[in-house]
Amino acid sequence: DAMVIQNPRYQVTQFGKPVTLSCSQTLNHNVMYWYQQKSSQAPKLLFHYYDKDFNNEADTPDNFQSRRPNTSFCFLDIRSPGLGDAAMYLCATSSLPGQGPETQYFGPGTRLLVL
Amino acid sequence: KNEVEQSPQNLTAQEGEFITINCSYSVGISALHWLQQHPGGGIVSLFMLSSGKKKHGRLIATINIQEKHSSLHITASHPRDSAVYICAVATSGTYKYIFGTGTRLKVLA
Repeated sequence: DAMVIQNPRYQVTQFGKPVTLSCSQTLNHNVMYWYQQKSSQAPKLLFHYYDKDFNNEADTPDNFQSRRPNTSFCFLDIRSPGLGDAAMYLCATSSLPGQGPETQYFGPGTRLLVL
Repeated sequence: KNEVEQSPQNLTAQEGEFITINCSYSVGISALHWLQQHPGGGIVSLFMLSSGKKKHGRLIATINIQEKHSSLHITASHPRDSAVYICAVATSGTYKYIFGTGTRLKVLA
């Protein structure tokens, strides 16, 4: 029944060592989002895909990249993680916009720890 | 000033109490969402509102578009309701969320 799946749930990496987080969805939604959430803060949108179109938020560091090889999967790559990148990373999806307001469906998140 | 403000930031209640969480926003919206996040967990969508009122179980959400204000009510609160409740708005013409800072609710048995 899981609709938005994130793997792994917990990820430990070393300072500067590239890491990839994955997200998959069974909802066939066109839009996929990646959020960063730090303790006691609201989620911060990093970027989103509308189909294959990549949309980067203006303040997302270049250290963060994303790939969406197909509708179901989306990856978040952190090229050189710093201590400040330790956070919960949330993936979300929504159906095709333009047909009215849409609900975003969130995955369980991946908690990243940088040593 | 944040575009989406929530109050209170923290709330502790006794089991069985009626709880109200408020959300005010300053932008034009296409919809307002109430979300629930348990400690260490993902986010669950509770309600999407464009107008009026919605009810699901013990949860009731209302919105007043003219006043740019929404409330989330929990009747007969239970310790399992302990979570962070987040108000998020989708602004007119976009589908991205603007999040409030959340209300941390703790319900004591």
